[in-house]
Amino acid sequence: DTAVSQTPKYLVTQMGNDKSIKCEQNLGHDTMYWYKQDSKKFLKIMFSYNNKELIINETVPNRFSPKSPDKAHLNLHINSLELGDSAVYFCASSQGGTGVSHEQFFGPGTRLTVL
Amino acid sequence: GEDVEQSLFLSVREGDSSVINCTYTDSSSTYLYWYKQEPGAGLQLLTYIFSNMDMKQDQRLTVLLNKKDKHLSLRIADTQTGDSAIYFCAEETGRRALTFGSGTRLQVQP
Repeated sequence: DTAVSQTPKYLVTQMGNDKSIKCEQNLGHDTMYWYKQDSKKFLKIMFSYNNKELIINETVPNRFSPKSPDKAHLNLHINSLELGDSAVYFCASSQGGTGVSHEQFFGPGTRLTVL
Repeated sequence: GEDVEQSLFLSVREGDSSVINCTYTDSSSTYLYWYKQEPGAGLQLLTYIFSNMDMKQDQRLTVLLNKKDKHLSLRIADTQTGDSAIYFCAEETGRRALTFGSGTRLQVQP
């Protein structure tokens, strides 16, 4: 059973298009994240949601808009795609609580290529 | 990441021990993590350590934490070819997001 799943796995599109990446977790976690991994393998947080509420919104162009319809889903919509958006996007989830670790479990990634 | 540093590459022979080092900057980090990424795959959590611990052992993995120097290391005993991957250390910030290092590519030679 997949814990954190993302669709699609690969996404190839033209500059200027709008696309969405979907993420679902069946772990019952209350927090979900989007990370971007560039061609040099550098991973950086983009957004996080806790119980459907936006918690972290890093310096990301407002062409990127996360949507969390419920605790188990966090989708990423990207408008007017640019060449520099090409990367692997990872979704992750974790469970909250005080004084405990918040291990994040990652999805398999979505490789976005903008032509 | 500019805040968490790792050496880029490590090559070892099968059966040797591997030691991957990491330096972090946020002294308030409560938990520090090691993740493994195989080619074309997502990140797999290997282990983590709480900031008030010095060491944690989990089968072939040993994590050492020097909080004074903000230095974290991962030792893999009896390294196998299947251990070849990129290893990321990460620190947990107060907002529960992870700040990742740049990753260390471990190559295990037969």
